[in-house]
Amino acid sequence: DGGITQSPKYLFRKEGQNVTLSCEQNLNHDAMYWYRQDPGQGLRLIYYSQIVNDFQKGDIAEGYSVSREKKESFPLTVTSAQKNPTAFYLCASNGGGDGTEAFFGQGTRLTVV
Amino acid sequence: EDQVTQSPEALRLQEGESSSLNCSYTVSGLRGLFWYRQDPGKGPEFLFTLYSAGEEKEKERLKATLTKKESFLHITAPKPEDSATYLCAVQAGGGGNKLTFGTGTQLKVEL
Repeated sequence: DGGITQSPKYLFRKEGQNVTLSCEQNLNHDAMYWYRQDPGQGLRLIYYSQIVNDFQKGDIAEGYSVSREKKESFPLTVTSAQKNPTAFYLCASNGGGDGTEAFFGQGTRLTVV
Repeated sequence: EDQVTQSPEALRLQEGESSSLNCSYTVSGLRGLFWYRQDPGKGPEFLFTLYSAGEEKEKERLKATLTKKESFLHITAPKPEDSATYLCAVQAGGGGNKLTFGTGTQLKVEL
């Protein structure tokens, strides 16, 4: 089945540690996105990539980093510089054309302990 | 700056009691307005895309409509399984086809 796979589902991080969230898609989509979701807030865009080896900052990129070495993969690293990393992280992809819907993974819940 | 406002924040309905959710938006060059359903602890599930004012789309008990300033998600004779958070998002021209989301409407349908 085609889709987007995020792993792990739950992740615990100690203060000062970097952690990497995985996102893989087999939909052959060019564009991929990372969003953060906090209670009572809408999804906020962290980073996005329209093509391999290229990515742009979203609205809340500080404290995060990404790479796009393969079309299928768009990992997100939450660095120790991110002041409030506890949140629900969602990865999405779409075909890249205007007006095309994005499909989401099932999310990773990151908790700082 | 693109903005999306959803209302109400929360809605409680009795089974069979029809209602509408609102999504007001301001965007430069709308390329698409999207509705998603999100269950607790899950990723959003795509429902509809609307492209131009006057357009309507239906799926089971859901019907989405679009004007130049807002979209409505009408729920006819809802069932408890329709309980979820409904998210609205817009896509503007340029900018990598990214979506700008509203904060959602949390719907609970009771027996």
